[in-house]
Amino acid sequence: QVQLVESGGGVVQPGRSLRLSCAASGFTFSNHGLHWVRQAPGKGLEWVAVIWYDGSSKYYADSVKGRFTISRDNSKNTLYLQMDSLSAEDTAVYHCVKDRYSSSYYFDNWGQGTLVTVPS
Amino acid sequence: DIQMTQSPSSLSASVGDTITISCRASEDITKYLVWYQRKPGKVPQLLIYGASTLQSGVPSRFSGSGSGTYFTLTISSLQPEDVATYYCQNYNRAPPTFGQGTKVEIK
Repeated sequence: QVQLVESGGGVVQPGRSLRLSCAASGFTFSNHGLHWVRQAPGKGLEWVAVIWYDGSSKYYADSVKGRFTISRDNSKNTLYLQMDSLSAEDTAVYHCVKDRYSSSYYFDNWGQGTLVTVPS
Repeated sequence: DIQMTQSPSSLSASVGDTITISCRASEDITKYLVWYQRKPGKVPQLLIYGASTLQSGVPSRFSGSGSGTYFTLTISSLQPEDVATYYCQNYNRAPPTFGQGTKVEIK
């Protein structure tokens, strides 16, 4: 079955950087777009970024554009999120999410998430 | 960005009841609408895509309808295992946006 396992979360000071990883298995990794979706404490779900199946296109939410970078390694079945210039507003659980197809923008599998905390 | 507004924010119903959750988009998204179910302590599960197509394995008591800007999720004969928060999400164009969620409880 599909598994998406995030890692790399933790407590990080404002202005610093963090890199999240997502190890995937149970599907043909290189056929699917992948996203990061976050949920801040007590808030709703917020889409963060997408990378197409072959890495050729990447798109970001305005709230993270210029600070976050999504990437993937299809040889390692791994998705990444490099987060720079972090602020308290970035505190959230970050979920690695599988696109139903290459870039449909809806999601058929979610990882459990990794918590990123940026103290104010 | 397209705004998605769900109502109600929460509801309580009895086992066997039929309930309906609505989701309104701030602009026409044709049928690019999905519904997720998020049970307590779990990650969201895809229920319905294309506004009305049931994901494989989802019980037939779940149904979705609508197009354009107004959509509904109906659960016929509510079961205890349906206790969850339900989210709509548009995928008409980037960025995909979510409703704020509707929490369903059993009376």
